[in-house]
Amino acid sequence: ETGVTQSPTHLIKTRGQQVTLRCSSQSGHNTVSWYQQALGQGPQFIFQYYREEENGRGNFPPRFSGLQFPNYSSELNVNALELDDSALYLCASSLTGDSNQPQHFGDGTRLSIL
Amino acid sequence: QQQVKQSPQSLIVQKGGISIINCAYENTAFDYFPWYQQFPGKGPALLIAIRPDVSEKKEGRFTISFNKSAKQFSLHIMDSQPGDSATYFCAASLGDGLTFGKGTHLIIQP
Repeated sequence: ETGVTQSPTHLIKTRGQQVTLRCSSQSGHNTVSWYQQALGQGPQFIFQYYREEENGRGNFPPRFSGLQFPNYSSELNVNALELDDSALYLCASSLTGDSNQPQHFGDGTRLSIL
Repeated sequence: QQQVKQSPQSLIVQKGGISIINCAYENTAFDYFPWYQQFPGKGPALLIAIRPDVSEKKEGRFTISFNKSAKQFSLHIMDSQPGDSATYFCAASLGDGLTFGKGTHLIIQP
């Protein structure tokens, strides 16, 4: 059983640029959630996709957007990058979008903004 | 507004001792409470989880105690080992994303 995989592992961008991060969900999982983890903090929920539709969103501005594809893989897009966007971006997949379904995380993409 | 408060921020326990991490939540609509373990450079890994209709759940050396009336839950790690040294996060869910605590940095001294 393949776990959650994310790419790239590290990325360096400059302010104002745009970035796309990718996530492959665990086999059989149709729900993907994205989180931002700043250094020394807990992950913060960005949004969740269930069967290609956005299923919930945290307190993040519209320049954070996402997609889920028919194979349930997902992308996180961030426009107009700011210095505060420097963080570890985590993707988690779950069997369904129900609240009591365990979310399994990938190892993240470390994004640095210069 | 921080909806899940976790304490302590850091904890040092001797090998073989019991590690205890506490969390308190505000939103009574939360209905799923997982604990995650994170090593440097890795994503969080699910350790154990509980629903609010259960007061205690044990899996191996890990136990969650849940007090619904006090809106508190805790993680107990029995017979703590140096390999348990990591950052631990409590979390709560009410349907979509997880709300995490700020984490506890646990060090087990040999």
